[in-house]
Amino acid sequence: GQQLNQSPQSMFIQEGEDVSMNCTSSSIFNTWLWYKQDPGEGPVLLIALYKAGELTSNGRLTAQFGTTRKDSFLNISASIPSDVGIYFCAGPSSGTYKYIFGTGTRLKVLA
Amino acid sequence: DAGVTQSPTHLIKTRGQQVTLRCSPISGHKSVSWYQQVLGQGPQFIFQYYEKEERGRGNFPDRFSARQFPNYSSELNVNALLLGDSALYLCASSLSGSPYEQYFGPGTRLTVT
Repeated sequence: GQQLNQSPQSMFIQEGEDVSMNCTSSSIFNTWLWYKQDPGEGPVLLIALYKAGELTSNGRLTAQFGTTRKDSFLNISASIPSDVGIYFCAGPSSGTYKYIFGTGTRLKVLA
Repeated sequence: DAGVTQSPTHLIKTRGQQVTLRCSPISGHKSVSWYQQVLGQGPQFIFQYYEKEERGRGNFPDRFSARQFPNYSSELNVNALLLGDSALYLCASSLSGSPYEQYFGPGTRLTVT
């Protein structure tokens, strides 16, 4: 079945640095969703991608499809301590109403 | 406007028991999905309901069932609980399902002993 692999698995960065993470699928996705999850809470939707080739922004966050539409990238600029958490990508499985989530990228920000 | 709400927040059950989890979607949203998230993993899709009809089911045993009510709220039932059912159960609502954005509730933490 379809799988979403995220990299890196985890990362430590200094406050103020830019962050980049990606998500790779075994098949084409027409929609990508990026979520952030804090411990013990539900995921919070950050960005939804619908159009390949376009950058979508939400404050310091930007995301876009990869060239093959089998991948997606999330960038965080000027990271701050509250960016700490786990970032998940997700997308609808082809031909179904089932959403698949990635393996997650754990972000830790050093003040 | 209120977001997605779930109840209870936490629950402790014994193996073999049955549990019912509840979810109220965002006002105006007609689709509810349920996910199971075990520690250290991403959410795994269990069900999606739209207008009271099941539209999708993940790879979960028949011990898992759900329904959606006329007011679009939903219940997830799990019978004959196993230790491996211990997880965070998440409910997400969307306007009409794929490919629209899904918004998650805070989850119900189920512990099976």
